[in-house]
Amino acid sequence: GQQVMQIPQYQHVQEGEDFTTYCNSSTTLSNIQWYKQRPGGHPVFLIQLVKSGEVKKQKRLTFQFGEAKKNSSLHITATQTTDVGTYFCAGPGTASKLTFGTGTRLQVTL
Amino acid sequence: NAGVTQTPKFQVLKTGQSMTLQCAQDMNHEYMSWYRQDPGMGLRLIHYSVGAGITDQGEVPNGYNVSRSTTEDFPLRLLSAAPSQTSVYFCASSYRTPQRGSYEQYFGPGTRLTVT
Repeated sequence: GQQVMQIPQYQHVQEGEDFTTYCNSSTTLSNIQWYKQRPGGHPVFLIQLVKSGEVKKQKRLTFQFGEAKKNSSLHITATQTTDVGTYFCAGPGTASKLTFGTGTRLQVTL
Repeated sequence: NAGVTQTPKFQVLKTGQSMTLQCAQDMNHEYMSWYRQDPGMGLRLIHYSVGAGITDQGEVPNGYNVSRSTTEDFPLRLLSAAPSQTSVYFCASSYRTPQRGSYEQYFGPGTRLTVT
């Protein structure tokens, strides 16, 4: 079945440093979503990408969808302590299923 | 709107006991799903529903049953709890199914289940 892998599993940065997480799918995706989960919380939708090569920005967050629509990335510029959490990508699989990546946990320290 | 609500927030079961995790949404979403989250495993789909009366299995359905008699409610039943079912369970809903274009999954706050 479809697999969605994310790297790295964990990253620890100093506040102000940049952070990137990468998402790779074993199959071509019609779209990809990104979610953020704060510690102890539930996943919250951030954005959806649909077009090949699409780039979208939300303040310090930049999302990219690969040209082949099999990979995606989330880049955070100048991290802040409020960015702490786990970031998940997710893509539609067979039937009506949504497959989540394994997630990247971000820790930010002062 | 309350969004997606889940009860209970916490639950401890003994091996072999059964229980139902409740999930309700007031957004008139057609698509609902149940996930379990374990450390290092991300979110794994247990069961999902594309509308009232229609359910299907996800990635890890064994040991769980669901039904969808109304648009609003999507309960998850544990038939005979096992320690391997210790996890955090999230219910989610969206207006459309993942394959039908733009959508956003709304998650409930989760149920933290421990089976001893």
